[in-house]
Amino acid sequence: QSALTQPASVSGSPGQSITISCTGTSSDVGGYNYVSWFQHHPGKAPKFIIYDVSNRPSGVSNRFSGSKSGNTASLSISGLQAEDEADYFCSSYTSIIPHVVFGGGTKLTVL
Amino acid sequence: QITLKESGPTLVKPTQTLTLTCSFSGFSLSTSGVGVGWIRQPPGKALEWLALIYWDDDKRYISSLKNRLTITKDTSKNQVVLTMTNMDPVDTATYYCAHRIHYGSGSYYDYWGQGTLVTVSS
Repeated sequence: QSALTQPASVSGSPGQSITISCTGTSSDVGGYNYVSWFQHHPGKAPKFIIYDVSNRPSGVSNRFSGSKSGNTASLSISGLQAEDEADYFCSSYTSIIPHVVFGGGTKLTVL
Repeated sequence: QITLKESGPTLVKPTQTLTLTCSFSGFSLSTSGVGVGWIRQPPGKALEWLALIYWDDDKRYISSLKNRLTITKDTSKNQVVLTMTNMDPVDTATYYCAHRIHYGSGSYYDYWGQGTLVTVSS
């Protein structure tokens, strides 16, 4: 099972917006609307921030938004803040057992 | 508030068996629909799902490691244990346990532990 493809790193200045892509195939991202995103500060537990492509769990800032086009899902963060500096990874349902696949992660640097 | 925490050895020798415990609070693994899974991340690589146990004791394993993995639960202790036999240096990774629940239209791992780094070396 191949991992979903994410850029290794992205960066932005405080107040700016960034987008992180997550590319899969028609067997996962493109075929289902079961994409989730996580924020991971090293040494801490990953935090669930997006589900069903674009929905936010209760308590997650509306500065985080998700979308999908074809086989690529995207996470956007607006109004960048210093505390947004973290690793972000995506996950998707896949028709191939074990039915879940993850991205390689993207390191966000807030300049 | 749901929390999970992984525990186990940080260093194991090749061919040894790894036993990891996930201790959790804030939910019960006897509640319908709930599951606890194990996911690992080798250094510099993507996350890899390993195993999942459901509230009804249904168990799932990644096919490539199925012969080496066993997942069990102790509902009274709020723990899930993963054992992996015949450890190899390629199994060096951070191991996470995570709570799985139906959320929205799908099922997701919504709460994770902070992970535990396991190094396999002689």
